[in-house]
This record gives sequence, C-alpha cells and structure tokens, in this order.
Amino acid sequence: KQEVTQIPAALSVPEGENLVLNCSFTDSAIYNLQWFRQDPGKGLTSLLLIQSSQREQTSGRLNASLDKSSGRSTLYIAASQPGDSATYLCAVLDSNYQLIWGAGTKLIIKP
Amino acid sequence: ETGVTQSPTHLIKTRGQQVTLRCSSQSGHNTVSWYQQALGQGPQFIFQYYREEENGRGNFPPRFSGLQFPNYSSELNVNALELDDSALYLCASSPGRGQGNGELFFGEGSRLTVL
Repeated sequence: KQEVTQIPAALSVPEGENLVLNCSFTDSAIYNLQWFRQDPGKGLTSLLLIQSSQREQTSGRLNASLDKSSGRSTLYIAASQPGDSATYLCAVLDSNYQLIWGAGTKLIIKP
Repeated sequence: ETGVTQSPTHLIKTRGQQVTLRCSSQSGHNTVSWYQQALGQGPQFIFQYYREEENGRGNFPPRFSGLQFPNYSSELNVNALELDDSALYLCASSPGRGQGNGELFFGEGSRLTVL
C-alpha cells in the first residue's frame, strides 16, 4: 500500500531564505507526483507536476525534483516571501491511478 | 475562464441527517473528483465522475454517493451523517479521465461540521 510522508510537519523561516520541503513515498511504481499549495481553510492550487520519467520541474522561484528509485521528492523555494506562507502538500498517482496524499508541511515565512 | 465553485461553503448538521454538496466544474472539464480532508490531514479520494459515470472510488462506504450532470457539474451526497464525517470536502475538475493525468483545479471546499 502506497504511503506518502512529508517531513517536517511545520517549518518557520525568516523572509529571504531558500528552503527545501521533503516528500517521501513507499512504492516507486508511480505515474507522477504533484506539489500543491493550500491556504488556511481553502482549496488546493497545483504548483508543479512531475511525470515519472522526469527528474525535475521549475516554475518561477519553485523547483521540484523527483527520485523515483529512492521514493523522494523535494520542493525548493528560493528567496522565500511572507506570501509563500501556506501548507504544501505532495501527492503521487499510484499504480491504481489513485492520488495518494501526504499530510502536508505548514510553512511560515517570518517578515 | 470560470473556475471550480462549490456550495455551500460552510454547513452544520446533526448525526443521522443527510447532506448534499454541489460543485460546478471549470469550463471545458468533463471530470470531477471529490475528496474528504480532515483537519491536519491530506485529502482522501472519495470518488470520481467522468462524463456522468462513476470512474473510480476510494475507501468510503455506500452512504457516500454522487452524481454528475450533463453540464459536468456534480453533487456529493452523504446519508446517515456521523461525527467523523466532519471535514472539508473538496471538488476538483480536470480535462481528462483519471485523477492525476493532468493538472487538477480545486474549488474552495465545503466545510461540514456534524454535531
């Protein structure tokens, strides 16, 4: 059974720092991995989608990597801003075509 | 381009009651997926509808049911509500079949509280 874990559960950093969020999954048989952002009490916004054949995707200050063999993905945020404060979730599309989600990392960027 | 809209945004019910949540998909999208998100947890897949037919279901009991209409809007119905059904219910639309083949567009969610 596929399980997705995100560590740490919460992270607080000063504005301007570069930071890395981690996502690990137990079964490497995935079709893709996505990173989402969720603001308090709100829906989710897709940030980056990495297909299983890809190693990374970039969008602006965000860069996501995927290492399928080790079951890991990272989301790198450069030059963090207070507006980046949110919960970041990763989800993998498993071999049954189901999205399996992590519980998220709550990120706080201090001005 | 119209985004995904959900209604109601908040509602309170008591145990044993029934609830209907509604979702309008993004223009041009024929697939709608429903998720349950408990506080502090990631979303759990409930089911998906593709062109008015159920196209996959997660580990939820039959009292969770749904519909998709010809305009691709959708309803989630939950009967015999239990306290553990309290959660944020999220709807996501996408232009193709499957949960993650392409980008998912989420609504703001419906916050259900069961007392």
